[in-house]
Amino acid sequence: QVQLVQSGSELKKPGASVKVSCKTSGYSFSNYAINWVRQAPGQGLEWMGWINTNTGIPTSAQGFTGRFVFSLDTSVSTAYLQISSLKAEDTAVYYCARRNAGNYFLDFWGQGTLVTVSS
Amino acid sequence: SYVLTQPPSVSVAPGQTARISCGGSNIGSKSVHWYQQKPGQAPVLVVYADSDRPSGIPERFSGSNSGNTATLTISRVEAGDEADYYCQVWDSNNVRFVFGTGTKVTVL
Repeated sequence: QVQLVQSGSELKKPGASVKVSCKTSGYSFSNYAINWVRQAPGQGLEWMGWINTNTGIPTSAQGFTGRFVFSLDTSVSTAYLQISSLKAEDTAVYYCARRNAGNYFLDFWGQGTLVTVSS
Repeated sequence: SYVLTQPPSVSVAPGQTARISCGGSNIGSKSVHWYQQKPGQAPVLVVYADSDRPSGIPERFSGSNSGNTATLTISRVEAGDEADYYCQVWDSNNVRFVFGTGTKVTVL
């Protein structure tokens, strides 16, 4: 069965970096783009962007360029989100999600990774 | 940029019908998808392409889309349906996913 399993919660200080992993299984990794979605505490869902798992080309939403980097390790069917120069306002749950092939919706989601930025 | 507006909350008694609206400019020309998110859990797709259900989603969940409003309908509401619900479309003009503001469904 399709599974996306994310790395565990992180507590970081302002200015540090964090790398969240999203390990997939149960399907052909290179056939489905991986999207990233942020949810700040008590807030709604915010699309951050995606990475084409066939070409490795990322697409970032407005507001998620520069400090936010999407990457892949196709040998282990895993996608990564790296955030640098962390700020308190980056505190959120970050989800990876698979984009349904040929369509623009997210059919399977990871369990989420809480990133807390605090001094 | 494209905006999707949902009511902040909807309350419904068990066994009754809940209707959650999602407003957007000419949304009827877009394909609308709906996600359910229970507290502390990841979102789950409950309706895609306006009115289709993924495998495993009860028939009680249905969707419609016309004009400037899409609607998610939950029939015979159960306590387990209490959750936040988000609509979503693809904004092809700006090449981005757009989520609605979210609606908290409370089962009385």
